[in-house]
This record gives sequence, structure tokens and C-alpha cells, in this order.
Amino acid sequence: AQSVAQPEDQVNVAEGNPLTVKCTYSVSGNPYLFWYVQYPNRGLQFLLKYITGDNLVKGSYGFEAEFNKSQTSFHLKKPSALVSDSALYFCAVRPPAAGNKLTFGGGTRVLVKP
Amino acid sequence: EAGVTQFPSHSVIEKGQTVTLRCDPISGHDNLYWYRRVMGKEIKFLLHFVKESKQDESGMPNNRFLAERTGGTYSTLKVQPAELEDSGVYFCASSQAGGGAREQFFGPGTRLTVL
Repeated sequence: AQSVAQPEDQVNVAEGNPLTVKCTYSVSGNPYLFWYVQYPNRGLQFLLKYITGDNLVKGSYGFEAEFNKSQTSFHLKKPSALVSDSALYFCAVRPPAAGNKLTFGGGTRVLVKP
Repeated sequence: EAGVTQFPSHSVIEKGQTVTLRCDPISGHDNLYWYRRVMGKEIKFLLHFVKESKQDESGMPNNRFLAERTGGTYSTLKVQPAELEDSGVYFCASSQAGGGAREQFFGPGTRLTVL
């Protein structure tokens, strides 16, 4: 069965410092990979996705993610965090033979301190 | 363009009562999905509609849950009778026709509390 792991419940970072949110997955085949962000009282917002090709994917709000097939990881990164990046981040996968449904990780809360 | 909307935003009911959640997808989106997040855990898939047809309902927990999408527009998710373990946040999402890696657009969720 497929699974997604976000090993950190919370990540604390100072404003201006680099931000990394970790995600590893266990699925068969070559899945599509996604990152979503949830701000308070809002729905999940799409940040970026990996389909194929270049391992470094650029997304919204200055975020990027690096796909590593050998480590089955898809870590989310931002070179310089902003206080407004404080939110809940979810990694998700869509295995190739699983229809359209997404399998999510448990979420990582990011707190950026001024 | 209006996003995915969900109603109500919050619902508090007693065990054994019935609750109906509503989702209005983005206009023109054939795919509609229901997910839920229970007790701060991972978001789990419930089911997927393509227009008015149930494409995948493998995530529906039991027969107390009934989803409909009459006419292929808005969808309802009814829980009858509600149990304590049904508490959580129910998300609806929609996407354009087809599969592939199309992103799903999520609504703000309905927070359901069963007492």
C-alpha cells in the first residue's frame, strides 16, 4: 500500500533563513508528487507538482521542491522564509494506477519567527 | 473565477443525528472529490465523482456515509447516523476533466464535531 511520510510535525525557522519541509513516499511505479499549503481558515492551496523531467520543480510563492528517486523523497524548500509562510504544509502522491485520488502525508506545521 | 465552496463551515451535532455537507465545485470541473482529516492526522480520500457517476468510492468508511452528485454539479455528503469518530474536517476538491497530473482545487473544509 502506498504511504507518504512527513517526519516533522513542526518546523521552526527564523525569517530570512532557508526553509526545508521533508517528505518521503512509498509507492510502486512513478507517482506524481504534489505539495499543498493550508493557511488558517482556508482550503488547501496547490504549490507545485512533479510529473517527470527536471528533478528541481519551481512553484508558487518562491517555493521549490527536489525530487530524489533513489531516496524516494520530495522535499519542499524555500531559500529565504517569510513570516507569512507560517502555515500547514502537506505532501501528496498520486500513484500512476490509482485513479485520481491523492494520498497525503500527515502535514508539517511551519512557524517562521521574525 | 469562484473557487470550491463548502457549506456549512462548521457543524456541531450529537451522536446519532444526521448531517449533510454540501460542496460546490469550480464551474465546469467534471471531477469532484471528498477527503477528510480526522484528529489532526493525514488527509484521507473518501470518494471521487466524474460528473454524476461515482468513479471511486474505495475510501468511504462505512454505509453511514452517502455521497450524491445529482446533475453533475454540486455534491452532498450525508452522515447518518453520526458517530463520535466521524468528527474531523471534510474537504471537497475539484479538477478539470481527465486524469494525469491535474491539480485538485480544494475548498475551505467543513469542520464536523460529533458530541
